Amino acid sequence: GQNIDQPTEMTATEGAIVQINCTYQTSGFNGLFWYQQHAGEAPTFLSYNVLDGLEEKGRFSSFLSRSKGYSYLLLKELQMKDSASYLCAVMDSNYQLIWGAGTKLIIKP
Amino acid sequence: GAVVSQHPSRVICKSGTSVKIECRSLDFQATTMFWYRQFPKQSLMLMATSNEGSKATYEQGVEKDKFLINHASLTLSTLTVTSAHPEDSSFYICSARWDRGQTEAFFGQGTRLTVV
Repeated sequence: GQNIDQPTEMTATEGAIVQINCTYQTSGFNGLFWYQQHAGEAPTFLSYNVLDGLEEKGRFSSFLSRSKGYSYLLLKELQMKDSASYLCAVMDSNYQLIWGAGTKLIIKP
Repeated sequence: GAVVSQHPSRVICKSGTSVKIECRSLDFQATTMFWYRQFPKQSLMLMATSNEGSKATYEQGVEKDKFLINHASLTLSTLTVTSAHPEDSSFYICSARWDRGQTEAFFGQGTRLTVV
């Protein structure tokens, strides 16, 4: 079966760095996505990785290792507004998104 | 970026009635639209995939007679929850894309449905 694993909840301090991990087992791979979702709102796109390596976009970076079925989202210089759920999703061979359960990130002052 | 508009954002209905949710792509033609539901503190659950002009493909366990999906044009898909019950109360989200290999899914704002 297809499976996406990510931690349920993480806590970090304002101004610090946090890494949210995601491991996956899917039938085929056409890219991995990270989305941010604030409570009661729809997800918003953060990043897309299809090749191995690190993609940096401002305070957010995303890493992918296809051989390990592993990705992480790195958030730097954390701000209170970064408190949200972070969803990892993999696009499988049918171009369908398989979603992780999301990681709730709590930022403390 | 591409914009997907979902309406209404919130709806309260009585048990036994039907509710229609609209999803529109405002500045692109959406060949495929997806309907998700999300219970509190849970991930998105794909309900169905709809391609313009053809019948929707429902995921296992989703009742097609209860959740009617119509994708009549390249810019509009609707989800009708028929004979709603309190257990149908959830957050419903649509997303749209114009190409299979698209590297981003564009989401509507979501609809909070409460059945009383």
